[in-house]
Amino acid sequence: DIQMTQSPASLSASLGETVTIECLASEDIYSNLAWYQQKPGKSPQLLIYDASSLQDGVPSRFSGSESGTQYSLEINSLQSEDAATYFCQQHHDYPPTFGAGTKLELK
Amino acid sequence: QVKLQQSGAELVKPGASVKLSCKTSGYTFSTSYMSWFKQIPGQSIEWIGMIYAGDGGTGYNQKFKGKATLTVDTSSSTAYMDLSSLTTEDSAVYFCARRDYDGTYYWDWFAYWGQGTLVTVSS
Repeated sequence: DIQMTQSPASLSASLGETVTIECLASEDIYSNLAWYQQKPGKSPQLLIYDASSLQDGVPSRFSGSESGTQYSLEINSLQSEDAATYFCQQHHDYPPTFGAGTKLELK
Repeated sequence: QVKLQQSGAELVKPGASVKLSCKTSGYTFSTSYMSWFKQIPGQSIEWIGMIYAGDGGTGYNQKFKGKATLTVDTSSSTAYMDLSSLTTEDSAVYFCARRDYDGTYYWDWFAYWGQGTLVTVSS
């Protein structure tokens, strides 16, 4: 199975700041990466697919990028509603696998 | 609009089985794929397997073979997952999610999820 190493495990930021979350794939996944946001007691919400394509309805302050097997989710101009846990997921090979998650707290 | 409505929370005894449901609406169920996931609260998400509603064809994560059995009822547009020989390690929230489809291709990211079903295994 492809391993997704996600970092950091948690971070704290202030409203209006920019944060970056990263995922490292154990092998080449050819940009086949998605990002999800999950709030407590809720199901995951798709933010990004194919590493950088924004899902319909997702604010443009969310963006995805890649460099080799390293993938990043950037959130600009943090809003209070961005407090959540974020997961990456590779959709290159079966089984689909997820990162361990990053818990984002707003100061 | 696309909706996936999962069955309610379950409290089951060790060794028992449980059947979870995921009732869908707002799209053509018979040409869709449904995946199931496991998430222990506070932890990451695991893919259990997938079923194609058109013919009931399935694919499983090796880790969950023998534990989970996926079925569908196309007459009610509902997907099911049976979990057998339950242990405390099976206590988790289980989600169904539709494999994304753009009208031509299927993609292995998930835009539509059920709300989750909490399964608690306890004597």
